[in-house]
Amino acid sequence: DQQVKQNSPSLSVQEGRISILNCDYTNSMFDYFLWYKKYPAEGPTFLISISSIKDKNEDGRFTVFLNKSAKHLSLHIVPSQPGDSAVYFCAAPRLRGGATNKLIFGTGTLLAVQP
Amino acid sequence: GAGVSQSPRYKVAKRGQDVALRCDPISGHVSLFWYQQALGQGPEFLTYFQNEAQLDKSGLPSDRFFAERPEGSVSTLKIQRTQQEDSAVYLCASSLEAGGRSYEQYFGPGTRLTVT
Repeated sequence: DQQVKQNSPSLSVQEGRISILNCDYTNSMFDYFLWYKKYPAEGPTFLISISSIKDKNEDGRFTVFLNKSAKHLSLHIVPSQPGDSAVYFCAAPRLRGGATNKLIFGTGTLLAVQP
Repeated sequence: GAGVSQSPRYKVAKRGQDVALRCDPISGHVSLFWYQQALGQGPEFLTYFQNEAQLDKSGLPSDRFFAERPEGSVSTLKIQRTQQEDSAVYLCASSLEAGGRSYEQYFGPGTRLTVT
């Protein structure tokens, strides 16, 4: 059962344009979401997060939007740069008695920003 | 400061061989996680330590997988009698706090295990 879904395996955009990466989730108990970015042969690095009490969080060129009623979140990158080319993972922490914040990841979206 | 390090970065094992993967978390981080990432998939949780205590091992796929963190810092993931389906990237992550709202995890570069 894939609780966090990223239905687009890849996305290609032109440099300077907007990149929009989508993520859907099925568990309404999730109350926090994170985006990670991964370059080849490196571990994922934290990018931005959002709590379910908000519907938007912005950090520089990166903005995450959360639509709780649709169980959907999206990551916007404006303007996109070639260095943004990477795999992006959406993730949610699965709480278990408050002792384990293990992350449930989506399958990732490969973003390619063309110069 | 130093991030999470893992060794070896690459490991080729023959089927049936035992392997040991090492993780050095960020100094002072209480929580340590192991994840397995198969090709084309997202990381999947294996096990979790809070200091030296292994509080969750629900993601370990079989009893051939064993993890330890005896002194609450360095951790080792051991796989006995490796099988081809064990081929994956094994990621270690640490976070400063335990439980609560400390969701942000810092990942190491991973160990790519190939079982032939």
